[in-house]
Amino acid sequence: AQTVTQSQPEMSVQEAETVTLSCTYDTSENNYYLFWYKQPPSRQMILVIRQEAYKQQNATENRFSVNFQKAAKSFSLKISDSQLGDTAMYFCAFMKRAGYGNKLVFGAGTILRVKS
Amino acid sequence: DAMVIQNPRYQVTQFGKPVTLSCSQTLNHNVMYWYQQKSSQAPKLLFHYYDKDFNNEADTPDNFQSRRPNTSFCFLDIRSPGLGDAAMYLCATSRAGEGYGYTFGSGTRLTVV
Repeated sequence: AQTVTQSQPEMSVQEAETVTLSCTYDTSENNYYLFWYKQPPSRQMILVIRQEAYKQQNATENRFSVNFQKAAKSFSLKISDSQLGDTAMYFCAFMKRAGYGNKLVFGAGTILRVKS
Repeated sequence: DAMVIQNPRYQVTQFGKPVTLSCSQTLNHNVMYWYQQKSSQAPKLLFHYYDKDFNNEADTPDNFQSRRPNTSFCFLDIRSPGLGDAAMYLCATSRAGEGYGYTFGSGTRLTVV
């Protein structure tokens, strides 16, 4: 079974600064996907960024980028130029590549607070 | 816009009184999921449908059932809600096998009184 670990229950960052959220995972699979989801307070969970494990290049989406270290099974999220709207719970998630109805396995989440 | 819609946004039910939560989608995704999320915790998968093929998680209580009458709609039935079932219930959809992640609805927050 796959497990996802987020070791930082809460973090805070000043507006315009950079912050990195950590995630590690455990799997025996070789092909899989990794995700970061954002859940703002009382709002819908949305996809922030996605990484395919067979691609060595780290994914980027505007101010969001990841540091994917496959051998270390590490998948951290870097948020540059933090904005107040980035305040949310962030979940790291794992999905096997093979099969149908692929299930997302979530980490426990990290609450990020951006301060003005 | 294509989306996943959950109704109602907030639901209050009495202890032991059956309740149904609904989810609809306009994405034409063939997989639909129901997650339970308790306060500040990770979402926990209850079950999912691949088309009409129902897949129950091993630790999902028997108190929880689901129906998917067609591609667009999926329902979560809680037969006899207990205080421990108070949570946010999230519906999500995806295309099978593409690894593009899920599209989530806004959730239904269930309160049991």
